[in-house]
Amino acid sequence: AQSVSQHNHHVILSEAASLELGCNYSYGGTVNLFWYVQYPGQHLQLLLKYFSGDPLVKGIKGFEAEFIKSKFSFNLRKPSVQWSDTAEYFCAVSDSGGYNKLIFGAGTRLAVHP
Amino acid sequence: SQTIHQWPATLVQPVGSPLSLECTVEGTSNPNLYWYRQAAGRGLQLLFYSVGIGQISSEVPQNLSASRPQDRQFILSSKKLLLSDSGFYLCAWGGYNEQFFGPGTRLTVL
Repeated sequence: AQSVSQHNHHVILSEAASLELGCNYSYGGTVNLFWYVQYPGQHLQLLLKYFSGDPLVKGIKGFEAEFIKSKFSFNLRKPSVQWSDTAEYFCAVSDSGGYNKLIFGAGTRLAVHP
Repeated sequence: SQTIHQWPATLVQPVGSPLSLECTVEGTSNPNLYWYRQAAGRGLQLLFYSVGIGQISSEVPQNLSASRPQDRQFILSSKKLLLSDSGFYLCAWGGYNEQFFGPGTRLTVL
């Protein structure tokens, strides 16, 4: 069965610090990869996604992620975080069995201090 | 534009009581619908999905059931709640490119 691992459960940063959140998945075939974000009091929403092509994917609000197939990784990065990036971040992979079911990691809570 | 509604937003129920959570989608037809649960300290786990009216697939054995009586309505139910049913329940619609999530229901079973 597919699984997704997020290495950091809680991350605390100061504004302007760089961010990298780790995500690894277990599946050897073709995968679709996603990062979702949930800001306080808001719906879970898509940050970025990778289906094919350029392994460096750019998303909203200055976020990017790099798909490294050999490492089964899809790490999320941002060069300089802001207080407004405080949120919970979820990595997900679409299930290869069809119906586009998402398998999520446990999430990472990011707190950015001014 | 499409919107997704869930209610109630929060719910506190005693053990052994029944449960009914409702999800409705507007602005799209024949969507794939999903129920997820997030237990404390854990990621989102897919519980059920539906590709059409009356078509329900269960992902994990549990104390819950789902129904889809109408094209854009998805209901999560239980006859008797357990303590372990506590969590944050999210409904989503979508397909290949993206899933869109509702605001969620926080369920506490006491």
